[in-house]
Amino acid sequence: ILNVEQSPQSLHVQEGDSTNFTCSFPSSNFYALHWYRWETAKSPEALFVMTLNGDEKKKGRISATLNTKEGYSYLYIKGSQPEDSATYLCALHAGGTSYGKLTFGQGTILTVHP
Amino acid sequence: DTEVTQTPKHLVMGMTNKKSLKCEQHMGHRAMYWYKQKAKKPPELMFVYSYEKLSINESVPSRFSPECPNSSLLNLHLHALQPEDSALYLCASSQVADGNEQYFGPGTRLTVT
Repeated sequence: ILNVEQSPQSLHVQEGDSTNFTCSFPSSNFYALHWYRWETAKSPEALFVMTLNGDEKKKGRISATLNTKEGYSYLYIKGSQPEDSATYLCALHAGGTSYGKLTFGQGTILTVHP
Repeated sequence: DTEVTQTPKHLVMGMTNKKSLKCEQHMGHRAMYWYKQKAKKPPELMFVYSYEKLSINESVPSRFSPECPNSSLLNLHLHALQPEDSALYLCASSQVADGNEQYFGPGTRLTVT
């Protein structure tokens, strides 16, 4: 059983604040690391799929970094807006015969207050 | 069209009922997935279909029976469920089952009475 952990569990920030959260995973079972954003009553939406150690990806005000040797990824949101309020999930794909199996972390619930 | 659709949105069923959940995508994806998500928990994988063949069954009880009639459709047949099976059932698809990003549907909220 793969253990994917996210911290913090929840986060409240003010509009305009920058924030970050962490996803940690067993480095020995790494093939790809996914980040998803899940807004209430909507479908989870893929943000990034990261595969290379040292990779950094960016989408607007959101960026992510990856360290496969130590088994962690950071997600950063610059200048948070109320519409960024959502649950942010990371998921590990272990490769091999995983056939697309993703193991999700518990998620970080972000609330951005106007 | 990057949408995965799921029907119904909500389903209430008794323990003796038989019902089916439906999932559809028209992105030409050849991998489709069923996940179960209980409140305050992350989604848990149930089944993976790759090129219309079942490639992963995560030891799911036989009262859940998946079916992939063609590359665009995925069904989950439900029979003799228990109240603890009440959950959000999410469908997802990806180009192939090798770690590509997955596109999720909005889910079916199932309540078993």
